[in-house]
Amino acid sequence: GQQLNQSPQSMFIQEGEDVSMNCTSSSIFNTWLWYKQDPGEGPVLLIALYKAGELTSNGRLTAQFGITRKDSFLNISASIPSDVGIYFCAGPRSNDYKLSFGAGTTVTVRA
Amino acid sequence: EAGVTQFPSHSVIEKGQTVTLRCDPISGHDNLYWYRRVMGKEIKFLLHFVKESKQDESGMPNNRFLAERTGGTYSTLKVQPAELEDSGVYFCASSQSGASLYGYTFGSGTRLTVV
Repeated sequence: GQQLNQSPQSMFIQEGEDVSMNCTSSSIFNTWLWYKQDPGEGPVLLIALYKAGELTSNGRLTAQFGITRKDSFLNISASIPSDVGIYFCAGPRSNDYKLSFGAGTTVTVRA
Repeated sequence: EAGVTQFPSHSVIEKGQTVTLRCDPISGHDNLYWYRRVMGKEIKFLLHFVKESKQDESGMPNNRFLAERTGGTYSTLKVQPAELEDSGVYFCASSQSGASLYGYTFGSGTRLTVV
């Protein structure tokens, strides 16, 4: 199957710092997704990217679809305590909505 | 609108026992997916229903796992007999055919621990 390599695995940051994580794949994806899982909840879609080179923002979040279509990154600016959680990159397998996920980046914010 | 509901939220069972997980999708969503996350690893696709039909069950680990979706409404995932490696969080998701990926909604998951 399509494997997504996500890094870093975890990060401890100070409130107010910027956060950056990325995802790479050996296969081309036509869509890149970034999800966040809050403790005790299911993943929630933050940003969807549909076009190579696309840069999209959602509040303090910015994500980019790499021009090779094999990578993507997510930045969180000026982190706040509610940013804690697990962030997953994902992409649909082939032409359907069955998703392949990365292993997640666990973010812990220190006040 | 109610979201995707899963229960139980937690289950601890002994190796060899049977467990049944349930998922109630968002009303009107034809597509229902099961995923599993083993600790620290990626969330992996298990299977996909369209209404009551199994569209793709290529991710099911082995024949100890049985999924059903009676009448195209709620779905159950039964593990019988459970093994230690079945521990993890089982997520269900649903979507409407033709909807955008923002309409692809996950439940809160069932955390299964096999001891």
